[in-house]
Amino acid sequence: AQSVTQLGSHVSVSEGALVLLRCNYSSSVPPYLFWYVQYPNQGLQLLLKYTSAATLVKGINGFEAEFKKSETSFHLTKPSAHMRDAAEYFCAVSDNRGSTLGRLYFGRGTQLTVWP
Amino acid sequence: KAGVTQTPRYLIKTRGQQVTLSCSPISGHRSVSWYQQTPGQGLQFLFEYFSETQRNKGNFPGRFSGRQFSNSRSEMNVSTLELGDSALYLCASSFGTPYNEQFFGPGTRLTVL
Repeated sequence: AQSVTQLGSHVSVSEGALVLLRCNYSSSVPPYLFWYVQYPNQGLQLLLKYTSAATLVKGINGFEAEFKKSETSFHLTKPSAHMRDAAEYFCAVSDNRGSTLGRLYFGRGTQLTVWP
Repeated sequence: KAGVTQTPRYLIKTRGQQVTLSCSPISGHRSVSWYQQTPGQGLQFLFEYFSETQRNKGNFPGRFSGRQFSNSRSEMNVSTLELGDSALYLCASSFGTPYNEQFFGPGTRLTVL
């Protein structure tokens, strides 16, 4: 089965600092990878996705992520944090196997706090 | 275009009761997935429907069931509610392939007393 590990359940940065949220996955087949953000009392919003095209993926709100097959990683970064980035971030993976179609495997999430 | 809608947004039930949650997907989407989100277990997959057929099911007891209608709208039902069923239930819709992102609704917050 697929699995996703997000290192660090809480990350704190100052406004303007680099944001780095870590995600490692396990998959026996080429994966599709996603980052979602969740604000309080809301559903999940897609930030970006990797679907085997360019390994560096740019998303909304200035976020980007790089797929590194050798490290089985898909870390999320943003050069300069803003107060509005404070939220919970989830990494997710899906694959092309018939037994898991339609299913996303999520990490446990990383709560990002941004200090003024 | 309109996003995924879920009704109701909030529910309070007592143990032993049953509940039905509704999800209307984005127009044109044929896949609807359901997830349970709790602080302790995180986001867990319940089941996925595609063109009225359940394609995949997570590891939940039979008290959790769902269905999808011909217009792609979906419902999930939980019977004989337990305290541990208190959670945010999220519905997501997509075109149904693994590389298509799933679009999430705002969720239904279920509290079981």
